[in-house]
Amino acid sequence: NAGVTQTPKFQVLKTGQSMTLQCAQDMNHEYMSWYRQDPGMGLRLIHYSVGAGITDQGEVPNGYNVSRSTTEDFPLRLLSAAPSQTSVYFCASRFQGSGYTFGSGTRLTVV
Amino acid sequence: SQQGEEDPQALSIQEGENATMNCSYKTSINNLQWYRQNSGRGLVHLILIRSNEREKHSGRLRVTLDTSKKSSSLLITASRAADTASYFCATDVSSYKLIFGSGTRLLVRP
Repeated sequence: NAGVTQTPKFQVLKTGQSMTLQCAQDMNHEYMSWYRQDPGMGLRLIHYSVGAGITDQGEVPNGYNVSRSTTEDFPLRLLSAAPSQTSVYFCASRFQGSGYTFGSGTRLTVV
Repeated sequence: SQQGEEDPQALSIQEGENATMNCSYKTSINNLQWYRQNSGRGLVHLILIRSNEREKHSGRLRVTLDTSKKSSSLLITASRAADTASYFCATDVSSYKLIFGSGTRLLVRP
């Protein structure tokens, strides 16, 4: 099925651990982004990419790394998890000037 | 601070009534988009209106854009219980960044 696939759906980490949230899309979209959603704060942009090999920071990039080696994949790495990174993470992709297709999200808890 | 701010934060209406949500933003935009999010799910794109457009329709949705006031509104006509969700505006501030507001929670009572 065409769309954006995120894994895992749920994750619990201990403070200081690292992990990678996976995101893949099969629509050949140039643009991909990672957002985090916290209660009452809407979605905040973490990192985005406009094509393979090109990434840039969004509003809240600290503590996260990304890479885009292929058009399809855009993984998000948490370097050293902190309780403040407890959130729901969404990956999304689109063509330039169009609306986003969102993944179903990863619910992350850092204890 | 958020680029887009929705108003009201929460709205409760009876089935069959119209629902209006507003969005204000701060900087120039290429386009403005509206999304719906059902509880615990990902966001779904509803409609996109470009900066040179003033009004757009899609089914029961009507979106207006006033770039001089930096504001937009989303009207849902003849609401249904299934329209219960959170609605977000998002501003396309460059070719690369889409910035979301904090959303309006809509409850449609049967």
